[in-house]
Order: sequence, then C-alpha cells, then structure tokens
Amino acid sequence: DAKTTQPNSMESNEEEPVHLPCNHSTISGTDYIHWYRQLPSQGPEYVIHGLTSNVNNRMASLAIAEDRKSSTLILHRATLRDAAVYYCILMASGGGADGLTFGKGTHLIIQP
Amino acid sequence: NAGVTQTPKFRILKIGQSMTLQCTQDMNHNYMYWYRQDPGMGLKLIYYSVGAGITDKGEVPNGYNVSRSTTEDFPLRLELAAPSQTSVYFCASSYSIWTHLTNYEQYFGPGTRLTVT
Repeated sequence: DAKTTQPNSMESNEEEPVHLPCNHSTISGTDYIHWYRQLPSQGPEYVIHGLTSNVNNRMASLAIAEDRKSSTLILHRATLRDAAVYYCILMASGGGADGLTFGKGTHLIIQP
Repeated sequence: NAGVTQTPKFRILKIGQSMTLQCTQDMNHNYMYWYRQDPGMGLKLIYYSVGAGITDKGEVPNGYNVSRSTTEDFPLRLELAAPSQTSVYFCASSYSIWTHLTNYEQYFGPGTRLTVT
C-alpha cells in the first residue's frame, strides 16, 4: 500500500482556518485520498475523500495537488469540537475489502 | 439507524479466558471489519468480511477468530486471552460494489476497551 506522511501535531486557534497537510508521493493513479478523524475516546469518523479534483462537504474541504503527491484537509473555521487526531489514508479504487491502513495521524490541538 | 453498535463497552479478562466481542450494523452494509488500536497508535486490521459466510485475515489476526453468518453481525472471538491483546477494539462497516470504480466510507462503532491481566 502507498504510504502517507503527516505532521505529528498541529495547533490552531478557535474560529480560524486549519490546513492539515498530507504527503503521498507514491500514490497510484487509482488511489483515492481519504481523511478520517478520531475524537477522544471515540471511533474514527469519515471526513472527506477525493480522487483528483478538490472536494467540499459540510465538514471540510480537500485540496489535492495537481500531481496528486500531496493533499490538504481544510477546516474553514475550527471549533473546540474539531480537536482530534486526523488520518490521511489512501484507498484503491473500488477497494476497501482489505480495510484502511492507519498511520499515527496528526493530533490537532485547538486553543480557545 | 443505530449505525454500528458494539458490546460490551469495557471488559477485564484474566489470562487464558475467552470472550466474544459483539458487533452489529443496521445499514445493510456488505463489508465489515475488526480493528484494534493500541495506545498512541493508529488502528490495525484484524479480520474483515465482504459478505455473509466470507471472512479473511487482516494484518494482525493471530489469537482471534471471526464468523459472519448474517449481514448484520460480525462477532470477534478471543480464545485464550493474553496481555498483548489489551487494546481498544473497533468494528466498522461499509458498502462496496466491485463493479463500480468508486469508494465508500467506513462507519465505525464506539469501541470495546479490553484489559487482560
């Protein structure tokens, strides 16, 4: 499986935008980029995913580099409830049968 | 919908005991998964199932067994508990169509915190 690289932790202030980076230089042409987050003492929660084009949903935006070797998860206005570990994960097209490969993710700290 | 439910929430086992972690989903998802998460680490896949009657090993299957007799249920069995199995266990489900070149998100349960002493 292609690997992803994320910073161990990031800190931001409440009500400010947050940009969480992810490098995936060995991504294959059919790999989707998924983001999940895990709030304290909870199971992971799906955030967003994309293939080539930038994506928006009610939780966040996903900006994908033109060469697809990196991506950025954007939280437009962070709240204290967004404090969590964020995981960037690659998944093969049509796949998912063999599960998600989680790294250590980025621990996002939100300051009030 | 209740989504993915897991029981129990917490359990303490003595070495050598056995137990079954229960997982049920009500979303009619064909894929189900069991993960474990050790402190400060990401999740690791134990077993998965692509449909009733079909299961396969993940990254860390040793010491565990699964069965999938219905679409809804995917229990995880620990036969001889060991301290190394102290972890938080998450069940997940998703919907996938092999013929479609797309991806679907996984839905996770709240987890079972297991301690083996």
